[in-house]
Amino acid sequence: KQEVTQIPAALSVPEGENLVLNCSFTDSAIYNLQWFRQDPGKGLTSLLLIQSSQREQTSGRLNASLDKSSGRSTLYIAASQPGDSATYLCAALTNFGNEKLTFGTGTRLTIIP
Amino acid sequence: NAGVTQTPKFRILKIGQSMTLQCTQDMNHNYMYWYRQDPGMGLKLIYYSVGAGITDKGEVPNGYNVSRSTTEDFPLRLELAAPSQTSVYFCASSAYGYTFGSGTRLTVV
Repeated sequence: KQEVTQIPAALSVPEGENLVLNCSFTDSAIYNLQWFRQDPGKGLTSLLLIQSSQREQTSGRLNASLDKSSGRSTLYIAASQPGDSATYLCAALTNFGNEKLTFGTGTRLTIIP
Repeated sequence: NAGVTQTPKFRILKIGQSMTLQCTQDMNHNYMYWYRQDPGMGLKLIYYSVGAGITDKGEVPNGYNVSRSTTEDFPLRLELAAPSQTSVYFCASSAYGYTFGSGTRLTVV
């Protein structure tokens, strides 16, 4: 059974700093890995999706990497801004065809102005 | 471009009552899902569907039922509501990646 872990559960950094969020998964036979953002009281917004054959994906100030052999993914945020404050969740897709995402519990990020 | 629409946004139920959470998507996605999110617990899959007329159980299906008569709609039915069903419910659909609705916050008292 796939398990996805995100550590730390919460992180505070000063505005302008670069930061890395971590995600680990137990079953390396994933189809893809997706990063989401969730604002308080809101739904999930997809940020980046990395296919199992890819090593990284970039969108603006965000860069996500995937290392299947070590069971790890990271989300790098450059030049952080207060608007980046949110909870970030990663999710691994295994059992393609059944299309089941396994979510981590998230990292709550606070950017201090 | 509405994406995934969930109604209602908030609801308070009494123990033993029933209700249906509505979910509609306009992206012609075959795959649809219902998740619940409890504080500090991440999202758990309740039911999913790979197309009209086809549904299957996820991790936590007890106390819920679903149907999928059309590609667009995937309602979630709660029968005999219990306090343990107090949660935030998210509907999602997928093709390449996942698109989530804004959620339904349900309280059972």
